[in-house]
Amino acid sequence: DAKTTQPTSMDCAEGRAANLPCNHSTISGNEYVYWYRQIHSQGPQYIIHGLKNNETNEMASLIITEDRKSSTLILPHATLRDTAVYYCIVRAYFGNEKLTFGTGTRLTIIP
Amino acid sequence: SAVISQKPSRDICQRGTSLTIQCQVDSQVTMMFWYRQQPGQSLTLIATANQGSEATYESGFVIDKFPISRPNLTFSTLTVSNMSPEDSSIYLCSVDQRVTDTQYFGPGTRLTVL
Repeated sequence: DAKTTQPTSMDCAEGRAANLPCNHSTISGNEYVYWYRQIHSQGPQYIIHGLKNNETNEMASLIITEDRKSSTLILPHATLRDTAVYYCIVRAYFGNEKLTFGTGTRLTIIP
Repeated sequence: SAVISQKPSRDICQRGTSLTIQCQVDSQVTMMFWYRQQPGQSLTLIATANQGSEATYESGFVIDKFPISRPNLTFSTLTVSNMSPEDSSIYLCSVDQRVTDTQYFGPGTRLTVL
């Protein structure tokens, strides 16, 4: 079973920041938080991951709470192409572990 | 990031037949994974394929139905055997890139069984 809880769906206006929450209250000390997105039945696209510090790359920012029980993915300036299902996944460090996908959040960017 | 290709991208097959899906990576990787995504559903792991050893199957998936080959560090195949309409899904391979501790996915193979 997935170890994360996400809202089923969200809307965001084009050009605004999209903030996608994720709860992972049972996360272990050796588990990272990963975010992927899937655009209309394409292969999932890696976005970002982090352990406990906030992370930022060219796609998004990841904010992890101090107790690591929840996190937020931020798309700073959402575009129509960001419409997708976003998956928050926890996975043990050192990889070689499967990704367990939950149902994700369906994000719709509104023109 | 790793670049992954899959063949075929889609296929329509008759029940009772088998289809072999190929996954090619542009770099050597230790672990490759095969996932299934049924219509309207999330991804479910079928098996993990390590080069030089038997694939490890998840609960609910068996080797006779989904045989996997992993002949080298850049290639793997998944066969969907004796297909039924319930096998209609998107099949995706992914690879684990140790340097970035990240999994990357191929574009998927959309299978329709009539």
